[in-house]
Order: sequence, then C-alpha cells, then structure tokens
Amino acid sequence: AQKVTQAQTEISVVEKEDVTLDCVYETRDTTYYLFWYKQPPSGELVFLIRRNSFDEQNEISGRYSWNFQKSTSSFNFTITASQVVDSAVYFCALSEFGRLQTGANNLFFGTGTRLTVIP
Amino acid sequence: GAVVSQHPSRVICKSGTSVKIECRSLDFQATTMFWYRQFPKQSLMLMATSNEGSKATYEQGVEKDKFLINHASLTLSTLTVTSAHPEDSSFYICSATVTSGGADEQFFGPGTRLTVL
Repeated sequence: AQKVTQAQTEISVVEKEDVTLDCVYETRDTTYYLFWYKQPPSGELVFLIRRNSFDEQNEISGRYSWNFQKSTSSFNFTITASQVVDSAVYFCALSEFGRLQTGANNLFFGTGTRLTVIP
Repeated sequence: GAVVSQHPSRVICKSGTSVKIECRSLDFQATTMFWYRQFPKQSLMLMATSNEGSKATYEQGVEKDKFLINHASLTLSTLTVTSAHPEDSSFYICSATVTSGGADEQFFGPGTRLTVL
C-alpha cells in the first residue's frame, strides 16, 4: 500500500534561515512519481516539482532544492534563505504508475507541513 | 501551465439544500478529473475519479448518492453535494489531467469553500 509521511506538522523559522521539509514514502511499485505542492493561505495548490523514481539527481531551482534518496525512501525539500512569502502548507505526494484502472494516476498526499517564516 | 477554474469559489448554504460545484479546464481537454476534499488543517483526500463520458469511480467511504459527479465533456466536471449538512462543510478541490499512461501532472483548480449552516 502507498503512504506518504510528513512527520513535521509545523515549522517556524526566522527569515533568511534555511529550512528542510521531510517526506518519507512507501510504495510497492518500482515506477512511481513524487511531487511537492505549496498551498498558501488562499488555498490554491501550487505545483513545485515532479520527480520520477528513476531519476535520483538532486534538483535546484532558485532557493528551492530537493533531495531524492531511494535508499531511504525520502524526498526532502529545502528552502534556503527563507522569506515571509514562503509561509504556507507544503504537501508531498506520491503517484503510482501501477494504478491504471482509470487510465490516470491519482495522487496520495502527505498530511502537510505548515511553514511559518517570521520576519 | 494549464489552467483549471472552479466555480463558485465560496458558497454558503442552508442545511438540506444541494450545491453544485463546477470544474473547468480552460485551455486543454481533460480526459480525467479528480475531486478532493480538504478539511481544515488536514490533507487532501481523494473523493472520486471522473472520466469523460463514464461513471465516476468513488473512493471507499465516499457516498456516491450524496456526492454526484458528472463529467459531460472534456472540459467540464461537476460535483453536486446533495442535501448538504454542516459536516459537509469543507474545501473542495478539483484537478484535471491528460492521460498518456504515465503520471501526468495534475492541474489543480483554486478550490471551493463550502459552508453549510
């Protein structure tokens, strides 16, 4: 069965600090996809990244970076030099390639981590 | 990226009434749309998967007679909460995707906040 765990419920950091959001997943599929989404107070989900299970290269996009390690089933997200605008709830999600009954794969979301950046 | 809209963005209704929420893909044709529900400070929970022209597939524990889903075209899916009660108050989010056999990116709507008095 698939499962996404975000053990950090809430994190507070002072502006300009770095912060890492943890994500651990479980799946029996060998092919799967991992995602990170940001949900600001407005509620709309903002797509941040998608990574497939065969690509373990770390990725950097501006102040954001992601560390994917299959050995520990983790897909952690780091924000460097945090800003107040980064305050939001961040969700990690998993999509399994094997579930094709509908021809598309739904996302399994973690419980989210609420990040508060204090000015 | 592709745009998905939801209407209304916010609705308040009396207990016992029915509420319809629309989800539209504005610049692409979506073969599949998903409906999620998010209670305050909780995660998104998938309610149902909707394919154009066929019946929706509901997740375990979701009442299909209460949450009616219609996917009449490749750009429109509707969720009707029938005989709404206060416990149905939640944030409803739809997403749309184009199926190609892989884990295509889901494009999310802005959500609809339902409050049942």
